[in-house]
Amino acid sequence: DIVMTQSPDSLAVSLGERATINCKSSQSVLYSSNNKNFLAWYQQKPGQPPKLLISWASTRESGVPDRFTGSGSGTDFTLTITSLQAEDVAVYFCQHYYTTPYTFGQGTKLEIK
Amino acid sequence: QITLKESGPALVKPTQTLTLTCTFSGFSLTTHAVGVGWIRQPPGKALEWLALIYWDNDKRYSPSLKSRLTITKDTSKKQVVLTMTNMDPVDTATYYCVHRQTGSYFDYWGQGTLVTVSS
Repeated sequence: DIVMTQSPDSLAVSLGERATINCKSSQSVLYSSNNKNFLAWYQQKPGQPPKLLISWASTRESGVPDRFTGSGSGTDFTLTITSLQAEDVAVYFCQHYYTTPYTFGQGTKLEIK
Repeated sequence: QITLKESGPALVKPTQTLTLTCTFSGFSLTTHAVGVGWIRQPPGKALEWLALIYWDNDKRYSPSLKSRLTITKDTSKKQVVLTMTNMDPVDTATYYCVHRQTGSYFDYWGQGTLVTVSS
């Protein structure tokens, strides 16, 4: 199984500041035939299901604010939230869809400082 | 507009079999490359993928739970059913139904249903 490890487990950032969440996979999720990283980021607010934010490591879903940016390739990925807003308080998960079993990171809890 | 909704018992006893139903709309499970699956999340913990079934009846299971899981579909009713045998308190979780395309991410999620395993 591919193990997804996020860091940090929790993060407190001031409103308007930048938040950075890291995700590392135990093996590459870059598919060489199409040069795509099979990596997604989800946001989960309390009492709600996860919401897809970013696919293919860096493609923002329709309607997702442009302050959310995904980057990285191979085994190391980053979700950056520039200019943190109050509504961004949530738990963020990375997930690979390279092969079964599809696994998730343990989550990063983002709070306001 | 794609929607998925989970239904099933809120409480099951240890050793019992859990049966969950996902009723979906906005797409067909006869369309090439479409899949419906299940993901669970114990309270305060991470997400765990369980199973997927595709338009062509291809089925995929989490290796760690494969012996306990069965996923089936009823395309006319627009439903996918997951059964999990020999339930244990550690299986207490919110169970989500999800949509995906082959080779892709989980783009639509149901609201989830909380299942508690307790005697």
